[in-house]
Amino acid sequence: QVQLVESGGGLVKPGGSLRLSCAASGFTFRDYYMTWIRQAPGKGLEWISYISDSGRATYYADSVKGRFTISRDNAKNSLYLQMDSLRAEDTAIYYCARDRSSTNCYEFDPWGQGTLVTVSS
Amino acid sequence: EIVLTQSPDTLSLSPGERATLSCRASQSISSTYLAWYQQKPGQAPRLLIYGASSRATGIPDRFSGSGSGTDFTLTINRLEPEDFAVYYCQQFRVSPPITFGQGTRLEIK
Repeated sequence: QVQLVESGGGLVKPGGSLRLSCAASGFTFRDYYMTWIRQAPGKGLEWISYISDSGRATYYADSVKGRFTISRDNAKNSLYLQMDSLRAEDTAIYYCARDRSSTNCYEFDPWGQGTLVTVSS
Repeated sequence: EIVLTQSPDTLSLSPGERATLSCRASQSISSTYLAWYQQKPGQAPRLLIYGASSRATGIPDRFSGSGSGTDFTLTINRLEPEDFAVYYCQQFRVSPPITFGQGTRLEIK
């Protein structure tokens, strides 16, 4: 079955870096746009980045632009999020999600279980 | 950026009742670009509705979506105990950024 599994979250100090990974299985990974979405504790959902199927096109929310970098390795069926210059307000659960269909629809299904990133001194 | 405003913030109903959740956009969006998600405590969100009115795979037919322009509605008929959760709408007509509403919490009365 289609599955997304995030990893790499943890506790990091302000100004530090972290790299999240999302391992995909059960579908042809290279055919789908992929997205990162986060949720601060007790808050709503915030889209932060997506990447085209080939990896050639990437997009970011203003809140992370210049600090976060999305990438993918289609040979390894993996999605990544490099997070630099982390701030306390980046504390959140980070979800990876797949486009619902391979036609680049920006509706997200399924989602991974999420990985918690805590930025604190 | 398109802002989505959901109402009410919290809706208290009993199992068996009908829930009507609203999502209003700050500018007109095609129904093609509106989706709804359900999130239960401790779980990732799940896609319910796409294209404003199409149910995602495996979603029961008691869930339905409607609307156009700036006003969209998620209706849940005959509430089941497992339907009590937080619901989010999402748009992608103007993206980036993709935006979500703030959520409506559906709680048991």
